[in-house]
Amino acid sequence: AQSVTQPDIHITVSEGASLELRCNYSYGATPYLFWYVQSPGQGLQLLLKYFSGDTLVQGIKGFEAEFKRSQSSFNLRKPSVHWSDAAEYFCAVGSGTYKYIFGTGTRLKVLA
Amino acid sequence: DGGITQSPKYLFRKEGQNVTLSCEQNLNHDAMYWYRQDPGQGLRLIYYSQIVNDFQKGDIAEGYSVSREKKESFPLTVTSAQKNPTAFYLCATLRSAGGPYEQYFGPGTRLTVT
Repeated sequence: AQSVTQPDIHITVSEGASLELRCNYSYGATPYLFWYVQSPGQGLQLLLKYFSGDTLVQGIKGFEAEFKRSQSSFNLRKPSVHWSDAAEYFCAVGSGTYKYIFGTGTRLKVLA
Repeated sequence: DGGITQSPKYLFRKEGQNVTLSCEQNLNHDAMYWYRQDPGQGLRLIYYSQIVNDFQKGDIAEGYSVSREKKESFPLTVTSAQKNPTAFYLCATLRSAGGPYEQYFGPGTRLTVT
């Protein structure tokens, strides 16, 4: 069965520091992979997506993610975090059907 | 301005009452979804609809009902049979299946039942 694991429930970084949020998935074929961000009390906003091709994908707000098939991972990175990046981040997997699977989320706290 | 509208943003109900959450989209997307979000549990799928007049149960459909009479609308009713209805509810859309498409999300409705 498809699954998505985000091993870090909470992450705290200092403003200006680099960030990496982990995501591992379980899926038989090449999945469609997504990262979403959610501010408190809001809906989810798409940060970036991977469908095929170049395994390093660029997204909005300076985020990027790298698809590593051998590790079944799709980690999200940002070289320098801003205070406004504090939010919850969700990794998700799709397969071309109607079902999408979401991880449990990683809450990011940014220290001034 | 294309998007997804969920109303109201906050909803309060007494235990034992049914309540309907609204979701409207003008993206012309075929599929619509309802998710429930609880702290630490991510998003759990309640129902989804691929086309008008058709919908399927998700992972936690018990105590919920939906209808899809129009492409633009996918209301969710939380019935009195739902044992723990207090949660944040998110509506989403998808252009269609088959292609590599992302889901789009509405702003959510927070339901509190006391």
